[in-house]
Amino acid sequence: KAGVTQTPRYLIKTRGQQVTLSCSPISGHRSVSWYQQTPGQGLQFLFEYFSETQRNKGNFPGRFSGRQFSNSRSEMNVSTLELGDSALYLCASSSPGTNKQFFGPGTRLTVL
Amino acid sequence: AQRVTQPEKLLSVFKGAPVELKCNYSYSGSPELFWYVQYSRQRLQLLLRHISRESIKGFTADLNKGETSFHLKKPFAQEEDSAMYYCALLSSNTGKLIFGQGTTLQVKP
Repeated sequence: KAGVTQTPRYLIKTRGQQVTLSCSPISGHRSVSWYQQTPGQGLQFLFEYFSETQRNKGNFPGRFSGRQFSNSRSEMNVSTLELGDSALYLCASSSPGTNKQFFGPGTRLTVL
Repeated sequence: AQRVTQPEKLLSVFKGAPVELKCNYSYSGSPELFWYVQYSRQRLQLLLRHISRESIKGFTADLNKGETSFHLKKPFAQEEDSAMYYCALLSSNTGKLIFGQGTTLQVKP
């Protein structure tokens, strides 16, 4: 099976702009989780989607949002970008009945 | 508070030496714990989880509820073990995977 894919791999934006990141899970996986990875804060949970519904949410401001489509693909949106949003954004998918998460390669977002 | 602590940012050992990567957690309830590894220029991948009680690539980890620890061990380190290792805890009530700050393991020849 193909692994988790994320697009784009790299993105440069300026403050105030918005950005949409995409994640395609492993075929058959219905749960998709998003994480932010920074040198200072490490890996932090953003949210999890299952069957098109947000099931869990981390402690991030409302500028961070996401959605999941009927084919389990997920998008994450960040509005009004700030310099501190520069990070590697990872998504992970897991199969029903298991808590094993499989990670994508990440999208490196740089905010100037 | 739910927290995972990896006290060492960097652990440097010689090839063939034993390795122990420390992980302590804070969680009320029965935790589900994992070790993830990230090799250079590769994606984060699951190494092992405590409920499987398995040994992967020679690594083992035992959950010690009394000491709230889940240390990762390998008796003889190999150069290819050099990577970043993350301990993580799955919170059953929030569904969040909570990661430690990570430990870089450097195995010298």
